[in-house]
Amino acid sequence: QVQLKQSGPGLVQPSQSLSITCTVSGFSLTSYGVHWVRQSPGKGLEWLGVIWSGGSTDYNAAFISRLSISKDNSKSQVFFKMNSLQANDTAIYYCARRGSKGYYFDYWGQGTTLTVSS
Amino acid sequence: DIQMTQTTSSLSASLGDRVTISCRASQDISNYLNWYQQKPDGTVKLLIYYTSRLHSGVPSRFSGSGSGTDYSLTISNLEQEDIATYFCQQGNTLPLTFGAGTKLELK
Repeated sequence: QVQLKQSGPGLVQPSQSLSITCTVSGFSLTSYGVHWVRQSPGKGLEWLGVIWSGGSTDYNAAFISRLSISKDNSKSQVFFKMNSLQANDTAIYYCARRGSKGYYFDYWGQGTTLTVSS
Repeated sequence: DIQMTQTTSSLSASLGDRVTISCRASQDISNYLNWYQQKPDGTVKLLIYYTSRLHSGVPSRFSGSGSGTDYSLTISNLEQEDIATYFCQQGNTLPLTFGAGTKLELK
């Protein structure tokens, strides 16, 4: 069955970077894109960006200067990196598979709870 | 960016009730409206895509409707496992955007 499993730190200091790995199973990254979404108390759910099956990316303009998404198809892994973290980046970060029929998310990872604090 | 508004932040209902949750877009999104369920442990599941298409495995008591800027999710015959928060999301234009959510509670 389709699964997305996330791994990453729970605590990061201000100005540091966040790296999360999303390891997928049950489908191929060469056939499906993977999105990243975060949820914070202050801003709710925010779409951050996507890496498409062909490897190209699209980012939310609000994060484009400090966000990077890449992948390794052979390892079924997607890599998320956000730089220059501040306290308001404290949130739950999710990876999610692109739906086959449009811009929606048909399966989600379990979420990575991130706290930015010194 | 397209703004998504869920005017009801919380809703109380009884088991067996028919519940309707509304969502409005700041512009016509051509039926590219999707609904998600989030449980208290953070687990998120797709319920409906493209206004009314039921995702695989989702019970038939969930249905969606709408057009243009106004959409709704209906749960007929509310069950205990449906107690969760529901989000709408527009899939018409990047950046993809979400409503603030409607938390469904038992009366």
